[in-house]
This record gives sequence, C-alpha cells and structure tokens, in this order.
Amino acid sequence: EVQLVESGGGLVQPGRSLRLSCTASGFTFGDYAMSWFRQAPGKGLEWVGFIKTRTYGGTTEYAASVNGRFTISRDDSKSIAYLQMNSLKTEDTAMYYCTRDGRFFSFWGQGTMVTVSS
Amino acid sequence: DIVMTQSPDSLAVSLGERATINCKSSQSVFDSSNNKNYLAWYQRKPGQTPKLVIYWASTRESGVPDRFSGSGSGTDFTLTISSLQAEDVAVYYCQQYYSTPLTFGGGTKVEIK
Repeated sequence: EVQLVESGGGLVQPGRSLRLSCTASGFTFGDYAMSWFRQAPGKGLEWVGFIKTRTYGGTTEYAASVNGRFTISRDDSKSIAYLQMNSLKTEDTAMYYCTRDGRFFSFWGQGTMVTVSS
Repeated sequence: DIVMTQSPDSLAVSLGERATINCKSSQSVFDSSNNKNYLAWYQRKPGQTPKLVIYWASTRESGVPDRFSGSGSGTDFTLTISSLQAEDVAVYYCQQYYSTPLTFGGGTKVEIK
C-alpha cells in the first residue's frame, strides 16, 4: 500500500526557514517523481513544485511564488522527499501536501500545516 | 500560466440523475504528438485529500465507478456522473498537466437535490 507521510510543519516567524519531509512507503521511491502542493486557508490547491527521478536528472521546477525561496530534494536511499522553505512569508501559511508523480496524482499525504506568523 | 475555469460553481442533482461539470482551459492542453489531452479530474470530500477520478481527459482511475466519465479535447472538457449517488457529493476539480505551473479549476460543488 502506497503511503506518504508529511512532517516538519509548525509555527514559524516571517523570514525564518522550515524543512518539510515526506516519507514514502509501499513503492519503489526512486522510480517516481515527487510533487508538493499547498492549500492556504479558504483558498484552492496550489502546485508548489516537483522533483524528477535521478534517471531524469533529479531536476526540479517550482511555482513562481516560491521560486528562489523553496527547494525540493530527495533521498532515494531513505525514500524521503524534502521541501526546504527559506525566507518564509505570511502568505506561505498553508497545509502542505506531498504527492507521488509529477503530472496527475493518485496518492496524497495527509498534509502538514505551516503557519508563518510573528 | 494556463487558467482553468469550471462551471457551474455548484449544482444540485436528484439521486439517479445526471450531473455534468464543465472545465475550460485558457489554452489547449492537447498534444498532437501523442494525441493526448493533459487533463485530470479529482473528487474532494470535506476533510479528505483529492481523489483522482479521471486522467488523460477520459481514462478512469482504477476503482472509480463507471458512472464517472470524462470527455472533451483541446480547451473544453466535461466530467459526467451518469447516475448520481449519495457518495458522489463532493467538490470536483479539473487540473491541467500540459505545462508548469500545474493549475486547477476553482471547483464545482455537487449536492443532492
């Protein structure tokens, strides 16, 4: 059974950093791209970015709203995807979800909440 | 960015009747090199994560009842629930994966009349 479990969320001050983890199980992690989404309170789902597999160079793409501040990485040996979030803004407050794949998404984690506030 | 526009915002349908949801993209999501439309549909119930219903515009995800069907090409797409069941009450979203940033429609809330 495919499982994705996010962790690392919490309350953080504006300008600080936070790293989210997505621990995967039930599939060969290294064979799949991994993506991150977020949903701010009262707003719709927003794509944050994805990381391709090592076969495809492990390349990443990001939404314009986070480009240059957020970095997605992966550790295939541990089956974990990471979302490093720097220079956080209040508008980054959201539930963050990881998903398997990079196009359409059958598997979602339950999310981890990030609140950016002073 | 490709903007996805859904209509209606909400609809109420009697049990056993047909529900039709529309999704329009601001530019074509059809790739003529492989004859595929890069369009997916999701169902989302309160407190749950999105559930993939349809991908490639018309391919039903494994385990999804055959009362769900997707159609359309280019910029105009439709999700049809042929005979609405109580468990189908949810918000439905379309999503394009033709180009990044991946984008979603605003959602259509389906209720029982």
